[in-house]
Amino acid sequence: RKEVEQDPGPFNVPEGATVAFNCTYSNSASQSFFWYRQDCRKEPKLLMSVYSSGNEDGRFTAQLNRASQYISLLIRDSKLSDSATYLCAVSPEKLTFGTGTRLTIIP
Amino acid sequence: DAEITQSPRHKITETGRQVTLACHQTWNHNNMFWYRQDLGHGLRLIHYSYGVQDTNKGEVSDGYSVSRSNTEDLPLTLESAASSQTSVYFCASSRDRGMNTEAFFGQGTRLTVV
Repeated sequence: RKEVEQDPGPFNVPEGATVAFNCTYSNSASQSFFWYRQDCRKEPKLLMSVYSSGNEDGRFTAQLNRASQYISLLIRDSKLSDSATYLCAVSPEKLTFGTGTRLTIIP
Repeated sequence: DAEITQSPRHKITETGRQVTLACHQTWNHNNMFWYRQDLGHGLRLIHYSYGVQDTNKGEVSDGYSVSRSNTEDLPLTLESAASSQTSVYFCASSRDRGMNTEAFFGQGTRLTVV
């Protein structure tokens, strides 16, 4: 079993819709959780950290479920500019990434 | 502004040659990492370092080596390049080990082994 697993997609979503991704992890000792965004042929960039209490940044909401060992990302009112690959990352010490979920927002 | 830079951005090399990819960060971060990214595999950790003179193997370290002689640099060496090492390579750095291990990435090096 992979340490971090994501549905690779692709997710093709109409503009304005809400979309959610999940990411499961296997190491129960993991302490830090992140969502990264990666545009085509570019480096990953931090989208948001994921805290135990959940956190929100504008249209983006991240949640952590330690009991079931998954993190989630919710994007509301999706924009064309949200089209990208979203990578989850989990860390007991060093970051381990999922394979990423490809999201395309359709006009 | 502090940053992390990789060079070269693109490289084509022949099978069997030794290749070194450079990574330089100006954040004074203790932790540095090398990942490779391939379709269907995502980002896989090659080697990492928690400080000067410290190096550790990641999940796909065979055929690669690193050295950490100062805080700023973690060069990645392919001892004898193979076609299976054709990939995009990303260097990253982070400040802390446990919590707050947010990583910042370089722009990547696209390596082709022919």
